[in-house]
Amino acid sequence: GAVVSQHPSWVICKSGTSVKIECRSLDFQATTMFWYRQFPKQSLMLMATSNEGSKATYEQGVEKDKFLINHASLTLSTLTVTSAHPEDSSFYICSAFDILAMADTQYFGPGTRLTVL
Amino acid sequence: EDQVTQSPEALRLQEGESSSLNCSYTVSGLRGLFWYRQDPGKGPEFLFTLYSAGEEKEKERLKATLTKKESFLHITAPKPEDSATYLCAVGTSYGKLTFGQGTILTVHP
Repeated sequence: GAVVSQHPSWVICKSGTSVKIECRSLDFQATTMFWYRQFPKQSLMLMATSNEGSKATYEQGVEKDKFLINHASLTLSTLTVTSAHPEDSSFYICSAFDILAMADTQYFGPGTRLTVL
Repeated sequence: EDQVTQSPEALRLQEGESSSLNCSYTVSGLRGLFWYRQDPGKGPEFLFTLYSAGEEKEKERLKATLTKKESFLHITAPKPEDSATYLCAVGTSYGKLTFGQGTILTVHP
């Protein structure tokens, strides 16, 4: 149980284009999902909290107009990187709570490697 | 500000050589201390959640313990497949996690 998937697993795009990353909870419902980014040899940094049916909450320093988050259902959250630039190249990882498990444990997806040329 | 510090940054062990990883933290309102394992190019894999000082949890060769200021991840008789980055994180209100920098564990056969 508690499986989280991400799609795509990797993507290469040209500078100036937009990229959408999907995060799905496969076997549980998640009212809250989180988006992280991870640079090489560094730890995870929280970007934003995604709440089903409401606006996302962004961490300080994260541009909400660049990183658009939509959480339209209890099993799907999407992160869109708009007008991507090489400095947006990173490993993006989502996580989710199982709301029925009554626990604080977050389960992580396998990550999406974004490379902007 | 919540802070998590892991040590050592890297640890090299021979197969069968037991050791411990440390995670020290300062947080207001702890809602869980979490250990994850991360393999290169993959997302973190959940290992343990600890909630109160004195709590211990075990899984195969791993054992996690918690005090009021730090947590230890003990690895008994490690095998090469235990090689990975081990991440410690503290949970706070609203479900947020603050991660440490991780310990890169390499187990040589």
